[in-house]
Amino acid sequence: QSMLTQPPSVSGAPGQRVAISCNGSSSNIGAGYDVHWYQQLPGTAPRLLIYGNTNRPSGVPDRFSGSKSGTSASLAITGLQADDEADYYCQSYENTLSGSKVFGGGTKLTVL
Amino acid sequence: VQLVQSAAEVKKPMSSVKVSCRTSGGNFKMNAISWVRQAPGQGLEWMGGIIPVFGRANYAHKFQGRVTITADESTRTVYMELKSLTSKDTAVYYCARDGDYFDPWGQGTLVTVSS
Repeated sequence: QSMLTQPPSVSGAPGQRVAISCNGSSSNIGAGYDVHWYQQLPGTAPRLLIYGNTNRPSGVPDRFSGSKSGTSASLAITGLQADDEADYYCQSYENTLSGSKVFGGGTKLTVL
Repeated sequence: VQLVQSAAEVKKPMSSVKVSCRTSGGNFKMNAISWVRQAPGQGLEWMGGIIPVFGRANYAHKFQGRVTITADESTRTVYMELKSLTSKDTAVYYCARDGDYFDPWGQGTLVTVSS
């Protein structure tokens, strides 16, 4: 089981808004560690989408946004497009496992 | 920074595999590189990482004793060796620059463990 919990799947119609949650605990997100998000298209390597909870790397559309509160974080995608269909992962730091980087289990986004 | 990984491998159970990650651009010594693996149909799993200037690697608890990550400054290459392979180690192995978050990523190396 992942230290960070994500819903296995979410879906939305083109143009709609969806949000993906990432629930942690007091030993990771709740301890103040940053949350980062990745997008993985089928058959490709993950791509950084959001870093430091809310920041977008250059080239990432502003349709993607991140937030963090308490022991949870969230990725929001507005104006859904067909090519947003992918797996999304959150990642943070876990201070109980010899300094481990930890990922959420991943969420499959389906654009209806 | 760009990361280019070695080709796919097929290994027998109980053998070892060594995957390479050649870097270009940036300061090799100061850039931490981590390894992340993904079993078929599964999520991402951090294995460990190294900052070449310090030479010592940090490993995920699950892999301690079975994985070794090293860096060769002369070739700007980071290696990940995994021993005592089982079918559960069949996965795509990625290297990635590790600055708290992972970016960029290598293209991935498929390691298949099969008798």
